Amino acid sequence: GQQLNQSPQSMFIQEGEDVSMNCTSSSIFNTWLWYKQDPGEGPVLLIALYKAGELTSNGRLTAQFGITRKDSFLNISASIPSDVGIYFCAGHSPYNTDKLIFGTGTRLQVFP
Amino acid sequence: DAGVTQSPTHLIKTRGQQVTLRCSPKSGHDTVSWYQQALGQGPQFIFQYYEEEERQRGNFPDRFSGHQFPNYSSELNVNALLLGDSALYLCASKVQMNTEAFFGQGTRLTVV
Repeated sequence: GQQLNQSPQSMFIQEGEDVSMNCTSSSIFNTWLWYKQDPGEGPVLLIALYKAGELTSNGRLTAQFGITRKDSFLNISASIPSDVGIYFCAGHSPYNTDKLIFGTGTRLQVFP
Repeated sequence: DAGVTQSPTHLIKTRGQQVTLRCSPKSGHDTVSWYQQALGQGPQFIFQYYEEEERQRGNFPDRFSGHQFPNYSSELNVNALLLGDSALYLCASKVQMNTEAFFGQGTRLTVV
């Protein structure tokens, strides 16, 4: 099935560092959502973006809807151990707003 | 306010058997979608139910079927199980006109 490309695939960082990850698509999207998934759990919604250029924050998390509508970025500032998990981007294409298309995921490890 | 709840949490079935997974949406939500997440992958859209009808279907065979009840809860049925059906099955709910989908904790299905 169709998936969005996320990079990096994995990250190993030290507590307190900032993190950046991105998500790209070959076609335009109407919405971008960022989720975090812990092992054995379902994805938890972190941030939702609705229009090109939009910049939205949720605590230490900031996400942006790319101007081209084909990408999105997630930044985490001052990482802490509980930030460990897999981060997924997801979006809706303009032609199918019922179906969420997910990225391949970025696995984040935070070392104290 | 209970979030999305799924049952059972874990299930082991034998090839060829049939399985039914259940989902109760978040309070106030009327739309339920099902996703399959293979190990190390992002979730893949199976189908969506709204007003007790299947509205949209992903690239999954007819062995995968579903149902939505008047109270908006939903079931996912998989017939003639294959080893490749082993995955985490996620239910997501939302309000039909919104784009933000909230996920349950998933059902881990193992086919042996």
